[in-house]
Amino acid sequence: DQQVKQNSPSLSVQEGRISILNCDYTNSMFDYFLWYKKYPAEGPTFLISISSIKDKNEDGRFTVFLNKSAKHLSLHIVPSQPGDSAVYFCAASAPENAGNMLTFGGGTRLMVKP
Amino acid sequence: KAGVTQTPRYLIKTRGQQVTLSCSPISGHRSVSWYQQTPGQGLQFLFEYFSETQRNKGNFPGRFSGRQFSNSRSEMNVSTLELGDSALYLCASSIRVRSRGDLYEQYFGPGTRLTVT
Repeated sequence: DQQVKQNSPSLSVQEGRISILNCDYTNSMFDYFLWYKKYPAEGPTFLISISSIKDKNEDGRFTVFLNKSAKHLSLHIVPSQPGDSAVYFCAASAPENAGNMLTFGGGTRLMVKP
Repeated sequence: KAGVTQTPRYLIKTRGQQVTLSCSPISGHRSVSWYQQTPGQGLQFLFEYFSETQRNKGNFPGRFSGRQFSNSRSEMNVSTLELGDSALYLCASSIRVRSRGDLYEQYFGPGTRLTVT
């Protein structure tokens, strides 16, 4: 049973436009959510996170929105750049009894066209 | 500051063999987690070590085991390899284990690509 789902395996966006990547979760114990970006032959790199006490967190071109009632989060990238082309994973963390364990979604491949 | 290093980067093994993968965390980091990435299952948590003790374990069979040394370096071992164990094995280090609501960033290594034939 997948507790974190990314229903779009791929997304294609024109350079300069907005990219919106979506993620749904089922476990109401999750209280911290993260987005990672992964290039081929590299490990995931952290992008941005949000605590469940917030509904929005912004860092430069990246904004994450959290809708707890819908158990849904999204990552907005504005403006999108060709260098943003990568696989994006959302991940969730439960309170401290789960340690540093992250539950990942299946990933969305973003392609930004010049 | 050096990042997380994993050795070897690529490995080919035969069914039934065993394999040991190594992870050196960022200096000063005491928590090491292991993940398996496959095309069908995505990134799945294997286990986490902190101060040489296993803190958490994912839903993997007992063929998957790990350990952590006093210098925080970690190894994972897979015995009796199966074709389905072919995957990218990722190691992540963090300065400490999450506590009292604080979440510490995890830094991932480049992974070890294991192919079982």
